[in-house]
Amino acid sequence: NAGVTQTPKFHILKIGQSMTLQCTQDMNHNYMYWYRQDPGMGLKLIYYSVGAGITDKGEVPNGYNVSRSTTEDFPLRLELAAPSQTSVYFCASRWTWDYGYTFGSGTRLTVV
Amino acid sequence: KNEVEQSPQNLTAQEGEFITINCSYSVGISALHWLQQHPGGGIVSLFMLSSGKKKHGRLIATINIQEKHSSLHITASHPRDSAVYICAVNNNNDMRFGAGTRLTVKP
Repeated sequence: NAGVTQTPKFHILKIGQSMTLQCTQDMNHNYMYWYRQDPGMGLKLIYYSVGAGITDKGEVPNGYNVSRSTTEDFPLRLELAAPSQTSVYFCASRWTWDYGYTFGSGTRLTVV
Repeated sequence: KNEVEQSPQNLTAQEGEFITINCSYSVGISALHWLQQHPGGGIVSLFMLSSGKKKHGRLIATINIQEKHSSLHITASHPRDSAVYICAVNNNNDMRFGAGTRLTVKP
């Protein structure tokens, strides 16, 4: 099993551009999450999904969108990128809310 | 004040020492997680616990629900244990993370 796969690993985006961070898991997990990690800060939840077709906002959703058309995929869309979105983004999944997490390796995004 | 507070923020130890990292939280929880983030950035789930104590190899995690406190212990520490250790609490899908404790174990 590959676990949780995130692409790309690194990316530089210009202000105002848009992009999609990809996340795929092959463990048939129902729950998937997107977090951002800023230096010296704890992980912050952006969006989450409890199953295909169901998504909900987390703590810091502004400037982002998600979709969950399949169990495996949970892409994160950045529209009109801003420097404040410079961060490391982690995708994670788990079977249900009372199971442990599996994290992807992260995407380091810089907006200039 | 953060809902999840970890101490210390940074910790340096000599190889072989017993390590304790603390986590206090101020919200109701259904479970507490300890995560490990290596210098390369990857995050690994170490423990999920809602009561008592769990042990895996040289790592031990305890939680006191009444005191809203958890500890992560590392026995016989080794340089490969050098990482950031993150405490996180969840209540269903609402998850809150501590800022992490950076552990450096010197040979």
